[in-house]
Amino acid sequence: EADIYQTPRYLVIGTGKKITLECSQTMGHDKMYWYQQDPGMELHLIHYSYGVNSTEKGDLSSESTVSRIRTEHFPLTLESARPSHTSQYLCASSDRGDEQYFGPGTRLTVT
Amino acid sequence: KNQVEQSPQSLIILEGKNCTLQCNYTVSPFSNLRWYKQDTGRGPVSLTIMTFSENTKSNGRYTATLDADTKQSSLHITASQLSDSASYICVVSDRGSTLGRLYFGRGTQLTVWP
Repeated sequence: EADIYQTPRYLVIGTGKKITLECSQTMGHDKMYWYQQDPGMELHLIHYSYGVNSTEKGDLSSESTVSRIRTEHFPLTLESARPSHTSQYLCASSDRGDEQYFGPGTRLTVT
Repeated sequence: KNQVEQSPQSLIILEGKNCTLQCNYTVSPFSNLRWYKQDTGRGPVSLTIMTFSENTKSNGRYTATLDADTKQSSLHITASQLSDSASYICVVSDRGSTLGRLYFGRGTQLTVWP
């Protein structure tokens, strides 16, 4: 099993709150990713990073932001949560190959 | 447009039975195709990877096939177990991206009943 961790696993929060979803990996991978997944739907890439101080937006437009100050850490922040942000958020990492190792995900509910 | 289509959307089988899941893709250029298993509330875990030159690859009771000419893949599960209940996702990688761009299907939700 891959050494990639996400916290919290579940989060229920009110509209307008600021939240940060944590993702850490201990494999030394340079590339990291954030995906959004709704039930029965495919994963959509919302952010990715090639390495420290590198961040890019993915295919799906997202109001979230990310940072990559350390290789092992890739947090995602929502400044003002809305019900439309309710979803599952999956973090992944990869080395020079393209196999991505996924974390367990964070199930976010915004009320 | 690069796409990955999976069928059926959902499937229910009895424990011990076999089943086959299908994946059609239009991704080009093609690098490889993976089947992932995603348990409820968990992240996907890779089961098999197949490159252009590979036709069949097995991982225990899971056997994947690839026809690169017709751009079709299948995942066959033999002697199903209750723990096989999960979503099975077909993921295709393109060759042209240094990012390792992945295209995800929506998955087939498999339920195994006792």
